[in-house]
Amino acid sequence: EADIYQTPRYLVIGTGKKITLECSQTMGHDKMYWYQQDPGMELHLIHYSYGVNSTEKGDLSSESTVSRIRTEHFPLTLESARPSHTSQYLCASSTGFGLAGVGEQFFGPGTRLTVL
Amino acid sequence: QQQVKQSPQSLIVQKGGISIINCAYENTAFDYFPWYQQFPGKGPALLIAIRPDVSEKKEGRFTISFNKSAKQFSLHIMDSQPGDSATYFCAASKGSSNTGKLIFGQGTTLQVKP
Repeated sequence: EADIYQTPRYLVIGTGKKITLECSQTMGHDKMYWYQQDPGMELHLIHYSYGVNSTEKGDLSSESTVSRIRTEHFPLTLESARPSHTSQYLCASSTGFGLAGVGEQFFGPGTRLTVL
Repeated sequence: QQQVKQSPQSLIVQKGGISIINCAYENTAFDYFPWYQQFPGKGPALLIAIRPDVSEKKEGRFTISFNKSAKQFSLHIMDSQPGDSATYFCAASKGSSNTGKLIFGQGTTLQVKP
């Protein structure tokens, strides 16, 4: 079982609220990722980080922001939540080393966000 | 722009049967092709992965077949079991980019009937 944690698991919130989704890993991985996944649909990368103080936007445009102040912590923030932000958010981490130079990504259980 | 296309969207197989899920990719720079398994309420977990320098990789009941010229790869689950019921995602990555970024397919929901 991978040591990557996400809180909260479920969040229902009103429009306009600021929210922070937490993600922590205890494996010392340098690379971390945030994905957005609608139920039963593919995963879309919205943010990634190579290490402390390194963040990049992913392939899917997102109004969320991220920070990486500590290796183990990669929180995602929405300044003003809207119904269009309703989705599942998955956090993952990787060593970056392995088969073909791409390490296995370990996923957290996800946060299911509903914005009313 | 869908760089990795996966089919079918859903699949129903009898217990003991063979489940086959297919993926096709466009970018010839991809050099790492993993399959992830996701159970309801959980994050995806790596099942098996392959590089394009081999045509097949087998781990237990799970086999990846890879056709570089056709830019296609598939997952075969032999002797499918009800516990295999899950959503399966293929993915692709450019290892040389050193980002570890994965491009996922659309997913296939597999149901194995007892």
